[in-house]
Amino acid sequence: GAGVSQSPSNKVTEKGKDVELRCDPISGHTALYWYRQRLGQGLEFLIYFQGNSAPDKSGLPSDRFSAERTGESVSTLTIQRTQQEDSAVYLCASSLAPLADVSTDTQYFGPGTRLTVL
Amino acid sequence: GEDVEQSLFLSVREGDSSVINCTYTDSSSTYLYWYKQEPGAGLQLLTYIFSNMDMKQDQRLTVLLNKKDKHLSLRIADTQTGDSAIYFCAETRGSYIPTFGRGTSLIVHP
Repeated sequence: GAGVSQSPSNKVTEKGKDVELRCDPISGHTALYWYRQRLGQGLEFLIYFQGNSAPDKSGLPSDRFSAERTGESVSTLTIQRTQQEDSAVYLCASSLAPLADVSTDTQYFGPGTRLTVL
Repeated sequence: GEDVEQSLFLSVREGDSSVINCTYTDSSSTYLYWYKQEPGAGLQLLTYIFSNMDMKQDQRLTVLLNKKDKHLSLRIADTQTGDSAIYFCAETRGSYIPTFGRGTSLIVHP
């Protein structure tokens, strides 16, 4: 499959535990985005990676959230000491390059990881 | 208010036209998008329009942009049950991070 994949598809955890979510972007895509989608809400930007540049972390809601990306490959989003308000679908998207030309740099989304914090 | 607003639900009969509306606040928006999200799937870009355009048509989809009123709409002609999904409006202002609305759930019934 050539699409964006995410794992796990579902994660149920207890409050206070750490979780790690994984995103495999489309090969060759230099840009990678993480979003959070709470029930009935729009997509909330979390973090953006572009090549080897410093990531844009301006959307991370607290210091419990962090993300890493190795080169232009896999990214992991880590949530430490999870809280119930962290329950959401976490979406990853990748694009060939920054959205300077939407006709060629469309964001491709993965199916998401549904996180439930009990 | 939110940057991008949409009504949450729309119910139509199969074969009718669907019109999903969106309003945005930033007059400097450059690109406006419509995404479709089917159950259990990621968002899929349906169509987009540049801010200097008024209309764009792509098969059954028609996008109308009223820049003065900051209003965007998506019309789906001859709506089918397979069109049932959540439709997201989004906009960018020349940056790399689109701002999304909450999504409109389109329900198509026979």
